[in-house]
Amino acid sequence: GESVGLHLPTLSVQEGDNSIINCAYSNSASDYFIWYKQESGKGPQFIIDIRSNMDKRQGQRVTVLLNKTVKHLSLQIAATQPGDSAVYFCAETFGNYGGSQGNLIFGKGTKLSVKP
Amino acid sequence: NAGVTQTPKFQVLKTGQSMTLQCAQDMNHNSMYWYRQDPGMGLRLIYYSASEGTTDKGEVPNGYNVSRLNKREFSLRLESAAPSQTSVYFCASTPGRGVYNEQFFGPGTRLTVL
Repeated sequence: GESVGLHLPTLSVQEGDNSIINCAYSNSASDYFIWYKQESGKGPQFIIDIRSNMDKRQGQRVTVLLNKTVKHLSLQIAATQPGDSAVYFCAETFGNYGGSQGNLIFGKGTKLSVKP
Repeated sequence: NAGVTQTPKFQVLKTGQSMTLQCAQDMNHNSMYWYRQDPGMGLRLIYYSASEGTTDKGEVPNGYNVSRLNKREFSLRLESAAPSQTSVYFCASTPGRGVYNEQFFGPGTRLTVL
């Protein structure tokens, strides 16, 4: 079946450095991807999204890159701050998955730790 | 706006007991979702409601029922709780009915079944 996975379960970076969190997806039909941030004890929070007709999208300090050829998604965080410490999830969806639009398939998450 | 709210925040049940998790959103969103999150895993969809008056099964619906009470509220019921249902439950909502919508999540309900 389709799955969304992550290359690294944990990532530790120095404050001020750039962070790159990777995600592999298996369904070539997926056409919408989202990155979520989840802080301890809280619900996931939307960071940025990208559609399959794009290969790059930028937000404030974050950039998402999509490589459809190798089915790979990455989240880049510039000048990482202690407040960026959290678990980051990628999620995908495609058309009428199971007959239902809008249903996201989540990866297991990467824990980002920022060292001061 | 409070966004998506969930009650209770914590709950401990004994095997076989029943309970209802409540979710409400004040953003006038059409679609609402229930997920569970287990340690070391991503979120898995239990049930969703694409619009008021409709509900559909997600990836892991067994042992659960839902009710879309009105546009604001979407409840999740465990009729006979089992230890395998120990998890953190998240409710989410989206503005539209289509695929390309950000989902807004509530703070979660931490459920332990003994």
